[in-house]
Amino acid sequence: KAGVTQTPRYLIKTRGQQVTLSCSPISGHRSVSWYQQTPGQGLQFLFEYFSETQRNKGNFPGRFSGRQFSNSRSEMNVSTLELGDSALYLCASSLALGGAYGYTFGSGTRLTVV
Amino acid sequence: KQEVTQIPAALSVPEGENLVLNCSFTDSAIYNLQWFRQDPGKGLTSLLLIQSSQREQTSGRLNASLDKSSGRSTLYIAASQPGDSATYLCAVMNYGGSQGNLIFGKGTKLSVKP
Repeated sequence: KAGVTQTPRYLIKTRGQQVTLSCSPISGHRSVSWYQQTPGQGLQFLFEYFSETQRNKGNFPGRFSGRQFSNSRSEMNVSTLELGDSALYLCASSLALGGAYGYTFGSGTRLTVV
Repeated sequence: KQEVTQIPAALSVPEGENLVLNCSFTDSAIYNLQWFRQDPGKGLTSLLLIQSSQREQTSGRLNASLDKSSGRSTLYIAASQPGDSATYLCAVMNYGGSQGNLIFGKGTKLSVKP
């Protein structure tokens, strides 16, 4: 079966712009989580969605937002981009809320802010 | 706050060696632990998921153990191969909170020399 699909794979944006990243979970998975990965901070939790509702949010500024659609696909948006937002953004899907059956990750979107 | 530590940060071994990667966590109130592998610039590949009621899981040459009371997990790789070269990440699953459901260590970068 198809895995977690993230698009686009690579993005280059200018400071001050906004960006939208997309994540399609494994068919049947209703939970989608987003993580930011940087060399200095490692993997940090952004938010988790389940049944179109944000269930949990990490300690990121309000410039980071997300949503989930009725087909479980999720998008995250970053407004007013800063150089420090350059990172690998990873999406993970899970069958149930809280990851009782583990998480499956996508290949990520590499965002570079110049 | 849950903290996950992985030791060593980097490891280089000759092909064929058996090796152990260590993961420790500060809060034993977890309900799962998951080991991942990450190749450079790529997403995370799930290796093993250990439920809190289990002591170990095995998949091929990999064996992961979990000792909740001492806050430790180990990933044992038998007969290492150059293709095992990657960063190995340990993640514990808490019950939500601003850290998210999955809390990661910084990883162990493994290099297996032919």
